[in-house]
Amino acid sequence: DIQMTQSPSSLSASVGDRVTITCRASQSISSYLNWYQQEPGKAPKLLIYAASILQSGVPSRFSGSGSGTDFTLTISSLQPEDFATYYCQQSYNTHLLTFGGGTKVEIK
Amino acid sequence: QVQLVESGGGLVKPGGSLRLSCAASEFTFSNYYMSWIRQAPGKGLEWLSYISSSGSTRQYADSVKGRFTITRDNAKNSLYLQMNSLRAEDTAVYYCARGQNYDFWSGTLESWGQGTLVTVSS
Repeated sequence: DIQMTQSPSSLSASVGDRVTITCRASQSISSYLNWYQQEPGKAPKLLIYAASILQSGVPSRFSGSGSGTDFTLTISSLQPEDFATYYCQQSYNTHLLTFGGGTKVEIK
Repeated sequence: QVQLVESGGGLVKPGGSLRLSCAASEFTFSNYYMSWIRQAPGKGLEWLSYISSSGSTRQYADSVKGRFTITRDNAKNSLYLQMNSLRAEDTAVYYCARGQNYDFWSGTLESWGQGTLVTVSS
């Protein structure tokens, strides 16, 4: 199985801050990396796929980068609606998808 | 806009069975791979299974292999998850999700339902 490790597991930030979340794969996954946002009590929502492609309708303050084993999700200017939990997920092994443990973004 | 609505969750005793359903609308269901994912209370996401657009190909996570069965009825625009030999650790919100690509499984989960809660307890 490909293990996905996110850091930090939680962070506190203020509106307007630049926020960076990292995700590391246990082996190279090329750019087969997706990011999801989950607001409290809601279903996850696809934000970014193929490491850096913004899903339709997602604000441009979100961006993704990386390839191989190390990936980053960046929120350039945190907005109130961005307080949520973020998950990375590898789609390199399509027969066994795995998620990172999540990063909870909280209000400072 | 893609709509996915799960149902069938509830309280079941250990060793029992439950069948979840996912009703799809606003897209051509028969053209897309579908998947089930779960989330235990306060925990992260765990992928469980996917099924091809025709239903001929299925894959499972080791944690549910041999106990859970994914099926679909394209005539009814519905996805199912038959869950047998349930354990306390199967307690979770179960989500269905649609694959991103037309008749191809990329492993990207583009649209999700709102989830249905399954509680396994005596």
